[in-house]
Amino acid sequence: DAGVIQSPRHEVTEMGQEVTLRCKPISGHDYLFWYRQTMMRGLELLIYFNNNVPIDDSGMPEDRFSAKMPNASFSTLKIQPSEPRDSAVYFCASSFYDYGYTFGSGTRLTVV
Amino acid sequence: DAKTTQPPSMDCAEGRAANLPCNHSTISGNEYVYWYRQIHSQGPQYIIHGLKNNETNEMASLIITEDRKSSTLILPHATLRDTAVYYCILKTGANNLFFGTGTRLTVIP
Repeated sequence: DAGVIQSPRHEVTEMGQEVTLRCKPISGHDYLFWYRQTMMRGLELLIYFNNNVPIDDSGMPEDRFSAKMPNASFSTLKIQPSEPRDSAVYFCASSFYDYGYTFGSGTRLTVV
Repeated sequence: DAKTTQPPSMDCAEGRAANLPCNHSTISGNEYVYWYRQIHSQGPQYIIHGLKNNETNEMASLIITEDRKSSTLILPHATLRDTAVYYCILKTGANNLFFGTGTRLTVIP
């Protein structure tokens, strides 16, 4: 299995632009999680899905952030418009029920 | 939100056992103890988890005290590749993993 696949690995964008991060979970996993990591706040859960349905989005910082999971093999996290304070590493993870989560390699986002 | 307490950093000599402690005095009956680690610039990696019995897998052993108020992750023969931040996490079901600040383990040659 190729694991959880995230793209792009690095993204540099200008303030005000739309950014879309992508994630392909492990086949057969029914949970998908989006995390954000910064030096100041560590790892924070943004949103998670169960069977493609958003369950808890209380960690999404504001309306500029949105996430979708149109099918079991694909999810996106979109930021529109992006701001410098959104600069962070964004991780996607998937799991089968409450077994160990498998994380992707992350997307390093820089907003200038 | 932090329900676990870990030392901020530890050193371990290469080839020796690394014992990473975690206090979770307010753990509830249905909370599992999970351990993850994050090697620099990589995504967190699952290591092991347990409820009340000691657990062992190919990576590590998990020792949970009888009252479940603390636990220890043991890496039996630490290598340089085990240098990472180790997170002790309490979890019920498939919900949020709250990572906290973890223990930065440095394996010294």
